[in-house]
Amino acid sequence: AQSVTQLDSQVPVFEEAPVELRCNYSSSVSVYLFWYVQYPNQGLQLLLKYLSGSTLVESINGFEAEFNKSQTSFHLRKPSVHISDTAEYFCAVIETGANNLFFGTGTRLTVIP
Amino acid sequence: EAGVAQSPRYKIIEKRQSVAFWCNPISGHATLYWYQQILGQGPKLLIQFQNNGVVDDSQLPKDRFSAERLKGVDSTLKIQPAKLEDSAVYLCASSVRGDRSADTQYFGPGTRLTVL
Repeated sequence: AQSVTQLDSQVPVFEEAPVELRCNYSSSVSVYLFWYVQYPNQGLQLLLKYLSGSTLVESINGFEAEFNKSQTSFHLRKPSVHISDTAEYFCAVIETGANNLFFGTGTRLTVIP
Repeated sequence: EAGVAQSPRYKIIEKRQSVAFWCNPISGHATLYWYQQILGQGPKLLIQFQNNGVVDDSQLPKDRFSAERLKGVDSTLKIQPAKLEDSAVYLCASSVRGDRSADTQYFGPGTRLTVL
């Protein structure tokens, strides 16, 4: 059975500092991986996704994530965070050919001025 | 492009009462999902529709939860009777096809249910 682990429930970081949000998954088959972001009082929005090809994927607002098959990880990084990045971030996985998207428990990123 | 609409945004009821949530997906999206997000947890799929047919309802507590998708567009999720543990945010999402696991799911703002 597939599952997603986000070890850090809360990550405080100072503005302009780098950040890494960790995500590990387990699955016996190939998967697609997603990062969703939830800003306060808003719905989940897709940040980026890995389907195939280059293991490094980027979002339009400076986040990137790297798929590491051997470590079954899909960590999210940003070299310099802004106040506006304060939100909850969810990692999600779906087995190729399946319908059910499994989410992690989320990481609350708080950017401190 | 208009996003996924949900109403109401907030609902407070007492246990054993009934409640219904409404969702209008993005126009043209064939697949509609209902998720339950309990505080401190990630969203969990309750039911998935492809057009007006159910694809997956294995996680739906069918003794109290029901859902329908009218004419393959709008959907309602009902809880009858509600329990304290049903307090959560109920999220609706839609995707273009849904029979491809790579499809992006677009989420609505959710309905926050509090059961007293």
